Amino acid sequence: AQSVTQPDIHITVSEGASLELRCNYSYGATPYLFWYVQSPGQGLQLLLKYFSGDTLVQGIKGFEAEFKRSQSSFNLRKPSVHWSDAAEYFCAVGGDKLIFGTGTRLQVFP
Amino acid sequence: DTAVSQTPKYLVTQMGNDKSIKCEQNLGHDTMYWYKQDSKKFLKIMFSYNNKELIINETVPNRFSPKSPDKAHLNLHINSLELGDSAVYFCASSQAGYGYTFGSGTRLTVV
Repeated sequence: AQSVTQPDIHITVSEGASLELRCNYSYGATPYLFWYVQSPGQGLQLLLKYFSGDTLVQGIKGFEAEFKRSQSSFNLRKPSVHWSDAAEYFCAVGGDKLIFGTGTRLQVFP
Repeated sequence: DTAVSQTPKYLVTQMGNDKSIKCEQNLGHDTMYWYKQDSKKFLKIMFSYNNKELIINETVPNRFSPKSPDKAHLNLHINSLELGDSAVYFCASSQAGYGYTFGSGTRLTVV
């Protein structure tokens, strides 16, 4: 069965620190992988996506993610977090539909 | 110009009422979706339409009925609303799965 696991429910970092949000997936074929961000009371904004090719994907707002087929992972990273990055982050795997992980809430301390 | 627009943004209604949420996309995508986000932020697909044809119908109560008059529009009608229907409903569209664009959501509160 297709599924996405985000093991960290809540992460707290200091502003300026580096960030890595974990995502593991289970999918029968080569997956399409996505990271979305949701600010409080807002919709879902696409940060980046992976379909094929280079396994290191650059996204908006300084985010990047690396696809590792051997580990079934697609972790999201940012070298220096800003206070405005505080939000809920969702990893998703897709084909004919998107299957979401349960989300990771990021809190940023000044 | 909003790519995927939903109306209304907020909906407060009493149990037992019937309500509709409308969605329109101007991206020219063939496929549209309804997702439900519950109080724990979990997002789950409800329905998917491809060029007006229903292709995905997850385990959703019969009280929920989608309708797609054309490929740019997907509406969601809910009969006999229950407290458990309170959630945020997101409309989305995609072209062959190459990225999904979401609307800003409709927050439904049933009292």
